[in-house]
Amino acid sequence: GDQVEQSPSALSLHEGTGSALRCNFTTTMRAVQWFRKNSRGSLINLFYLASGTKENGRLKSAFDSKERYSTLHIRDAQLEDSGTYFCAAEAGNNNAPRFGAGTKLSVKP
Amino acid sequence: EAAVTQSPRNKVTVTGGNVTLSCRQTNSHNYMYWYRQDTGHGLRLIHYSYGAGNLQIGDVPDGYKATRTTQEDFFLLLELASPSQTSLYFCASSAQGYSDYTFGSGTRLLVI
Repeated sequence: GDQVEQSPSALSLHEGTGSALRCNFTTTMRAVQWFRKNSRGSLINLFYLASGTKENGRLKSAFDSKERYSTLHIRDAQLEDSGTYFCAAEAGNNNAPRFGAGTKLSVKP
Repeated sequence: EAAVTQSPRNKVTVTGGNVTLSCRQTNSHNYMYWYRQDTGHGLRLIHYSYGAGNLQIGDVPDGYKATRTTQEDFFLLLELASPSQTSLYFCASSAQGYSDYTFGSGTRLLVI
C-alpha cells in the first residue's frame, strides 16, 4: 500500500492567508523532502529534513519521524505560490524516496 | 552548474514502439531514479540505481527496463510501449542517501 498519504489533495487560499499541508507515513521514515512543481513542470526543492523544523521565508516545514508525519506551512500566500506541492520520504538505508499524491494549491487575489 | 538533464523533453510514439528516455546528471551523485507522474498518484518509482551497473526495481517496474551505463547516465527503456505508459517521467539524482534530491525537468511521453 501507499507509504505516503498527502492531504489535502487541493487547497484554495486568498492572498495573504496561510494554511498547512500534511503528509502521514505508514512506516517510520528517515527523512522527508518537500517540492513544488512550477508552471513549467519542474520540481523545485523546498526543504529536506531528517528531523525538526526548517524555515525559509514564508514557508516552514516540520518532520516528526516518531509520530510519522511532516507538515509544510505557508503563510502570507502569494499568487506565485500556486502550484502542486509534493512530499517525498525515504524509509531507510538505500531506500528510494516515495512520493505523496500531491496538493494542488491555488492562490487567488 | 550541477544539474539533471533529461532528453527528450517530449516524445510521441505508437503502441508497440521502442522508446529510450535519457538522463544525465553532473552532480557526482551515486543514486539515480526514474519516476512517472500521473494525476492522482503523485510520483511513482519505476527503477533506481546506486551506481554504474547497478539496478534496483521500484514500485511500478512492469513494462520498463533501465540501464545505468556510467555514474552520470541512467536510461529508461520502453521496448513495447503501451498507451498506459503515457505519462510525465522524471529523473532524479542524490548523493549517498539522506540528502537532497535533484530532479530533471521531465519528459512528457505520449503513446498513441
